[in-house]
Amino acid sequence: GENVEQHPSTLSVQEGDSAVIKCTYSDSASNYFPWYKQELGKRPQLIIDIRSNVGEKKDQRIAVTLNKTAKHFSLHITETQPEDSAVYFCAARRPNQGGKLIFGQGTELSVKP
Amino acid sequence: DAGVIQSPRHEVTEMGQEVTLRCKPISGHNSLFWYRQTMMRGLELLIYFNNNVPIDDSGMPEDRFSAKMPNASFSTLKIQPSEPRDSAVYFCASRLGLAGDTQYFGPGTRLTVL
Repeated sequence: GENVEQHPSTLSVQEGDSAVIKCTYSDSASNYFPWYKQELGKRPQLIIDIRSNVGEKKDQRIAVTLNKTAKHFSLHITETQPEDSAVYFCAARRPNQGGKLIFGQGTELSVKP
Repeated sequence: DAGVIQSPRHEVTEMGQEVTLRCKPISGHNSLFWYRQTMMRGLELLIYFNNNVPIDDSGMPEDRFSAKMPNASFSTLKIQPSEPRDSAVYFCASRLGLAGDTQYFGPGTRLTVL
């Protein structure tokens, strides 16, 4: 089955700096890769996603890149702000699995003012 | 628009008691997922349904856990008997189905088993 590894487990940056979180997946058939943000005590919420037919996707200060050959994808947050502080989860999904997502272990991002 | 609704939001019970968690998916969504979140194990998928039918329950930890979806607008996750190691936040999520990618999570139920 699919396995998703996420690094680092914690990340601390200064406000205004960039943050990068990386995930690797094991199943080359996986074709959908979402990123969720979970603030303390709240539910995970989708912030950006990418399909396997695209190498990069950007939405304002966040972007995701995908390297299918190496089977890894990354979340990039530029000009970080304190409100970006949260736990970020990557996930992968294989086709024909009914929407089942396999999540990484999460990265706790702390943005210091 | 109402999102995914879960009840109760908090549950404190004693070991050995039965616990029932409830979920109402977003109207029109036909896929429903139950997750458990702990510090040690992260976000784990327990079971998911498509069109009210359980598709994959390989994540259900043991026979003490059971889930049902009697209709498109309601699902339950039951733990009987509960144990302290079941303490976690349980999330329900729904998805539009084959036409949609995004899973929308409910607010979660924080379960504490004493």
